[in-house]
Amino acid sequence: GAVVSQHPSRVICKSGTSVKIECRSLDFQATTMFWYRQFPKQSLMLMATSNEGSKATYEQGVEKDKFLINHASLTLSTLTVTSAHPEDSSFYICSARHRDRGQGMYGYTFGSGTRLTVV
Amino acid sequence: SQKIEQNSEALNIQEGKTATLTCNYTNYSPAYLQWYRQDPGRGPVFLLLIRENEKEKRKERLKVTFDTTLKQSLFHITASQPADSATYLCALPSASNTGKLIFGQGTTLQVKP
Repeated sequence: GAVVSQHPSRVICKSGTSVKIECRSLDFQATTMFWYRQFPKQSLMLMATSNEGSKATYEQGVEKDKFLINHASLTLSTLTVTSAHPEDSSFYICSARHRDRGQGMYGYTFGSGTRLTVV
Repeated sequence: SQKIEQNSEALNIQEGKTATLTCNYTNYSPAYLQWYRQDPGRGPVFLLLIRENEKEKRKERLKVTFDTTLKQSLFHITASQPADSATYLCALPSASNTGKLIFGQGTTLQVKP
């Protein structure tokens, strides 16, 4: 089955520094990757959609200069949290969309998530 | 705008019983609905997809129903086990038809031995 590898699983950084989170599709090509953040006991909130080779589309209220998304290849998408602050502390999850032959439509495979703590 | 509601209160049941979780949605008629399982500190894992023209879908001990008139999906786990304890999320495709998934807030299930 489709597998998405997300790294790092946990990261602690100092306020003002930048952190990069990587998501790789291991056995399929992900033309579209979605990035979510999740606060404790809350739902996944979509931050942005990235398509390989083009600029990411951000959801309303998400600062594109703060959350830089790069989708340079069909198997790798990165999210960089720039000038991180404590309020950016959250659980970040990527999701790759792929063709699900069994369902005859698109399937979504999620990474294992990254717990970011900004101190 | 489209809304998805799941019971935010945790569901506690005894091992062996059937767990039933509810997902209600408004302002939308999705072509399909998905259910995911999420364990603490992990990403969601896909469980089942049900299309608008399907009333019911089964996979092992899991059963999902989809009532497009009530705008509701029910997710059942029969013969529940402590290992089924997790948060279960329902997700719908965005009404904007952009391939995005919109999630409910999830219901946490606790199965006691």
